[in-house]
Amino acid sequence: SQKIEQNSEALNIQEGKTATLTCNYTNYSPAYLQWYRQDPGRGPVFLLLIRENEKEKRKERLKVTFDTTLKQSLFHITASQPADSATYLCALNTGGFKTIFGAGTRLFVKA
Amino acid sequence: ETGVTQTPRHLVMGMTNKKSLKCEQHLGHNAMYWYKQSAKKPLELMFVYSLEERVENNSVPSRFSPECPNSSHLFLHLHTLQPEDSALYLCASSEGGGTSSYEQYFGPGTRLTVT
Repeated sequence: SQKIEQNSEALNIQEGKTATLTCNYTNYSPAYLQWYRQDPGRGPVFLLLIRENEKEKRKERLKVTFDTTLKQSLFHITASQPADSATYLCALNTGGFKTIFGAGTRLFVKA
Repeated sequence: ETGVTQTPRHLVMGMTNKKSLKCEQHLGHNAMYWYKQSAKKPLELMFVYSLEERVENNSVPSRFSPECPNSSHLFLHLHTLQPEDSALYLCASSEGGGTSSYEQYFGPGTRLTVT
């Protein structure tokens, strides 16, 4: 069956460190992989998109990698800040309008 | 503000009630989505409309009925819901068709409680 896995355990890191979140998937051949941020009680906010033929994408302190051989994406936040504390969702699009979301990983950045 | 608004933000309804959720997008997108988000579960895609035509319908019970009168508005009509339908209902919009990237812009959600 098709599955997206994100670490269900919360990630706790110290301010200033790099946070690395993992998204693994099985039985998909995604055209795009996206990362979203969600704060409690609010809708997800789009952060970055990476295409299947791209290895890495950066935006300010954010970096996403995409390894279609390992079927894995890594999401990095460098110089993390307490304001980065949120749940981060991985999402796959295999073409068309259907996007499949992971359950998300909760990140806590401690001052 | 993402350019997608949802009303109401909170709704409590009994199992015999009929209510509607409303979504409006101001981004000029031509695709709109309804998702259900239950605690600690992934977002579940319910319906997708592109240019006012339904293009995805993910085996959603008939007690949920979508309506898309134009590309800026989307409704979810609710009737005879069950307590397990209590969740955060999220609306989203995106560009669509051709080589568009389908990144989605979400509204703040409607927190629905069925008693």
